[in-house]
Amino acid sequence: DAGVIQSPRHEVTEMGQEVTLRCKPISGHDYLFWYRQTMMRGLELLIYFNNNVPIDDSGMPEDRFSAKMPNASFSTLKIQPSEPRDSAVYFCASRRGQGSNQPQHFGDGTRLSIL
Amino acid sequence: GQSLEQPSEVTAVEGAIVQINCTYQTSGFYGLSWYQQHDGGAPTFLSYNALDGLEETGRFSSFLSRSDSYGYLLLQELQMKDSASYFCAVRDNYGQNFVFGPGTRLSVLP
Repeated sequence: DAGVIQSPRHEVTEMGQEVTLRCKPISGHDYLFWYRQTMMRGLELLIYFNNNVPIDDSGMPEDRFSAKMPNASFSTLKIQPSEPRDSAVYFCASRRGQGSNQPQHFGDGTRLSIL
Repeated sequence: GQSLEQPSEVTAVEGAIVQINCTYQTSGFYGLSWYQQHDGGAPTFLSYNALDGLEETGRFSSFLSRSDSYGYLLLQELQMKDSASYFCAVRDNYGQNFVFGPGTRLSVLP
């Protein structure tokens, strides 16, 4: 089975540019999560969706960040305009069902560097 | 809110046993999970405890004491490939999010 697929794997861009990160969850998974990981703050939840509907976006840092899930097999995280402090590894994860015993499956992440 | 505490680093030698502790404070509790992350890699699920006691999965075991808000991951017969960061996580009482601890970096020495 294919895992969670993220693209691009690496992104280097100049501050002020728009950045779009993409995620394809595992087929049949109804929850999708976007995380950001940095040395200083660890693994932070940004937003999660259930059945394509955003449920909790309280972790989104500010209005420069937005996320969409137009269908069950695709989600985007957009940063506009980007800033150097947005540099981090961004992970997408998906899960099937509500049970706490259901693991989250993470993609390989997008390593974002804002110059 | 939720907060989790883990030691930042642990070092052990090949073949040894190591225990990584996790204490948590949550407004509700739906189980404690453990994830492993190698440098440059993605977190991967290791284990889950909903009830008190020990869960064993091969060389790895995980323990939970709900009354103490405490759990640990036990790694036996350590191998070099076990060098990684280990995160405990608890489910948010009010949603489906798992809140992750700060992670423990395990270094296995030859």
